[in-house]
Amino acid sequence: ETGVTQTPRHLVMGMTNKKSLKCEQHLGHNAMYWYKQSAKKPLELMFVYSLEERVENNSVPSRFSPECPNSSHLFLHLHTLQPEDSALYLCASSQDPSGVYEQYFGPGTRLTVT
Amino acid sequence: RKEVEQDPGPFNVPEGATVAFNCTYSNSASQSFFWYRQDCRKEPKLLMSVYSSGNEDGRFTAQLNRASQYISLLIRDSKLSDSATYLCVVNGGSYIPTFGRGTSLIVHP
Repeated sequence: ETGVTQTPRHLVMGMTNKKSLKCEQHLGHNAMYWYKQSAKKPLELMFVYSLEERVENNSVPSRFSPECPNSSHLFLHLHTLQPEDSALYLCASSQDPSGVYEQYFGPGTRLTVT
Repeated sequence: RKEVEQDPGPFNVPEGATVAFNCTYSNSASQSFFWYRQDCRKEPKLLMSVYSSGNEDGRFTAQLNRASQYISLLIRDSKLSDSATYLCVVNGGSYIPTFGRGTSLIVHP
């Protein structure tokens, strides 16, 4: 498999559930990102990882917890979410986190919180 | 002033038309610029990077104007398949790439 993959593609969860989103990149990149995309809003950067180390946490509520066990995998653990957290969650990777290089996005997980 | 601003559109043009989008940015120290394309309910995909000298890829031309702090995207001979949202991305030298809201393009027969 090539590129950036994400699972699941769709997720419906209640506010008391705990779930995890998974992202895997097959590009040999050193940086990985989580973004949130809500309707009619620009992409919001949530987290940036460089070689498994978190380098940016963009004021994200603690109910979102990222994990990067190695440079190819990224998780987003979700617990006690709110309905306003319903959105498309996109994972991306790039050669490094400097911003010089383009990002490659996964297909996203469409999350609905009920 | 927002960090990155785009006219949301929609730009509604006939096939074969030439259309141009601008994207303004506020951080004069910005170093890297990109245009992405996003189809409905899909992920963004890189369309082209924007270089200081300007660059062209087929029907698409990107320009950077540092003095006025904007980048532009020109699409010539529009195709129906060009219908999408076009996102500009500006990197200010930090770990945080900033996305614009996107400009919607609809190409009709």
